[in-house]
Amino acid sequence: GNSVTQMEGPVTLSEEAFLTINCTYTATGYPSLFWYVQYPGEGLQLLLKATKADDKGSNKGFEATYRKETTSFHLEKGSVQVSDSAVYFCALSLLSGYSTLTFGKGTMLLVSP
Amino acid sequence: EPEVTQTPSHQVTQMGQEVILRCVPISNHLYFYWYRQILGQKVEFLVSFYNNEISEKSEIFDDQFSVERPDGSNFTLKIRSTKLEDSAMYFCASGGGVETLPYFGAGTRLSVL
Repeated sequence: GNSVTQMEGPVTLSEEAFLTINCTYTATGYPSLFWYVQYPGEGLQLLLKATKADDKGSNKGFEATYRKETTSFHLEKGSVQVSDSAVYFCALSLLSGYSTLTFGKGTMLLVSP
Repeated sequence: EPEVTQTPSHQVTQMGQEVILRCVPISNHLYFYWYRQILGQKVEFLVSFYNNEISEKSEIFDDQFSVERPDGSNFTLKIRSTKLEDSAMYFCASGGGVETLPYFGAGTRLSVL
């Protein structure tokens, strides 16, 4: 079946530190890959996506590269801010559309000043 | 910015009771979804709904669950006889089409006692 595995949280960092949140996947076909973010009290928001191998998704200073050979889609940011504190979800979709997303457990990021 | 609204934010109920979780999707969207996340576990797809009928459902979505679009604005998830293991965060989402990513609400936390 299809599944997404993320590193366990919480990840605790100081402001301006480098962030990596690992995500690996298994899929029966060729998935599209996503990172969603959930800020406290808000809905899941799409952060970035990549639809084919070697694509790099980027947004708000975050990046992730679709690595087919390692089935990974790790999230990185060079310098985190307190406002980046949130829960980050890695997800995949196998359909031509996006009607069914398979998510990981989510990783909480806590950034202190 | 348009958003998906879910009410209540937290619902507490006794085991065996019926609950209805409510969602107001984005007004021009046609595709509607429910996902849930049991604490510490993955976000799981429950059901998708289009054109007044279920288009896809997971094995979690058994006869205990039902969805409805009772009027032009609401989308509801009913759990007929709640069990302790139904305690979870339930996310509603809506999308403009199969080829577009869904927008998620902030979730309703259901606590079954």
